Amino acid sequence: AQSVTQLGSHVSVSEGALVLLRCNYSSSVPPYLFWYVQYPNQGLQLLLKYTTGATLVKGINGFEAEFKKSETSFHLTKPSAHMSDAAEYFCAVSASGNRDDKIIFGKGTRLHILP
Amino acid sequence: GAGVSQTPSNKVTEKGKYVELRCDPISGHTALYWYRQSLGQGPEFLIYFQGTGAADDSGLPNDRFFAVRPEGSVSTLKIQRTERGDSAVYLCASSFVPGYGYTFGSGTRLTVV
Repeated sequence: AQSVTQLGSHVSVSEGALVLLRCNYSSSVPPYLFWYVQYPNQGLQLLLKYTTGATLVKGINGFEAEFKKSETSFHLTKPSAHMSDAAEYFCAVSASGNRDDKIIFGKGTRLHILP
Repeated sequence: GAGVSQTPSNKVTEKGKYVELRCDPISGHTALYWYRQSLGQGPEFLIYFQGTGAADDSGLPNDRFFAVRPEGSVSTLKIQRTERGDSAVYLCASSFVPGYGYTFGSGTRLTVV
């Protein structure tokens, strides 16, 4: 079975500062990993995903994440925060190679941007 | 359609009533998922359809919850004898290749009073 743990339910960073949102996963098979973003009163939007190949994955809005198998991590980063990045971010995992496997979400991290 | 459509966007119902929530997935997406998101929590898996059949319904909390997808496109989530604890945002998602990432709808906010 797969699971994810997101460290920190709330993270605050200053505008222009580095954004780092932490995610650790547990999976009995090679995982597929995802980050989703949810803006207030909106649905979930896929930011980026890792399936196979390059471990550094670039997504939309300047975000990127690195799959580190040895650390079972998939942390999300952005070099310079914008006010518009304020949202809830969800890390998620599914079992690679199993076309019927569902995506399991973490509890989310709310990102606050300080002016 | 261009995206996943969920109706209604908001539903208020009285405890004990029956409700139906509708999801219209992206055209051609054979995989359809229902999730439930309570306040301050991540989406919680309910049920997954591949075509017309429920491939995995392990997340349905009890027998008051039921979902159908009779023609392999539109799906309806049905909740009988609603309870206040059923209040949440119900999210639908669809995918062409399961497990590669979904496209989510905006959700239906269900409030049971």
